[in-house]
Amino acid sequence: EDQVTQSPEALRLQEGESSSLNCSYTVSGLRGLFWYRQDPGKGPEFLFTLYSAGEEKEKERLKATLTKKESFLHITAPKPEDSATYLCAVQAWGDYKLSFGAGTTVTVRA
Amino acid sequence: GAVVSQHPSRVICKSGTSVKIECRSLDFQATTMFWYRQFPKKSLMLMATSNEGSKATYEQGVEKDKFLINHASLTLSTLTVTSAHPEDSSFYICSAPTGIEQYFGPGTRLTVT
Repeated sequence: EDQVTQSPEALRLQEGESSSLNCSYTVSGLRGLFWYRQDPGKGPEFLFTLYSAGEEKEKERLKATLTKKESFLHITAPKPEDSATYLCAVQAWGDYKLSFGAGTTVTVRA
Repeated sequence: GAVVSQHPSRVICKSGTSVKIECRSLDFQATTMFWYRQFPKKSLMLMATSNEGSKATYEQGVEKDKFLINHASLTLSTLTVTSAHPEDSSFYICSAPTGIEQYFGPGTRLTVT
């Protein structure tokens, strides 16, 4: 069974204080690892797809990296508008289903 | 990115009544859509896979007769919560894949009184 574990559960940052979120996973043949952002009361917003170890993707202040066992989401010089819950999910080959982690709730204070 | 809509965004119903939630892919076709449920401060739990032209596939523990799914066309899937009870109150979210990525709707907040 696919498993996704995210840490920490919550992260409080000062504006400009860079940090990283962790997503550890076990999956029977990784097809893709996905990062989503979810604001309160809204559906998840797609951020990145990573396919293979060593891959990196960037979007504004966010950078996602992937190894064979985990993924990191780095937030560089965060702003209050980066406050959200960040969800990690994996998809196995031969399946459309996504297995989600519990998420990391990031709060950035001005 | 692709756009998925849901309607209604919020619904309040009385115990024992049924509620229908619509999920539409606005700018792409989806032969498969997914329905999730999310409890406060919890992650998304997959309820079922909606398949256009065939029966939905339900996850273990999800009651098929309570959560009726119909994939009427390549852009529309509906979830009907039948004989709703307060414990069915939750945030329901649908998603649709385009290629490998899945795009999510904005969610529907269901409150059963």
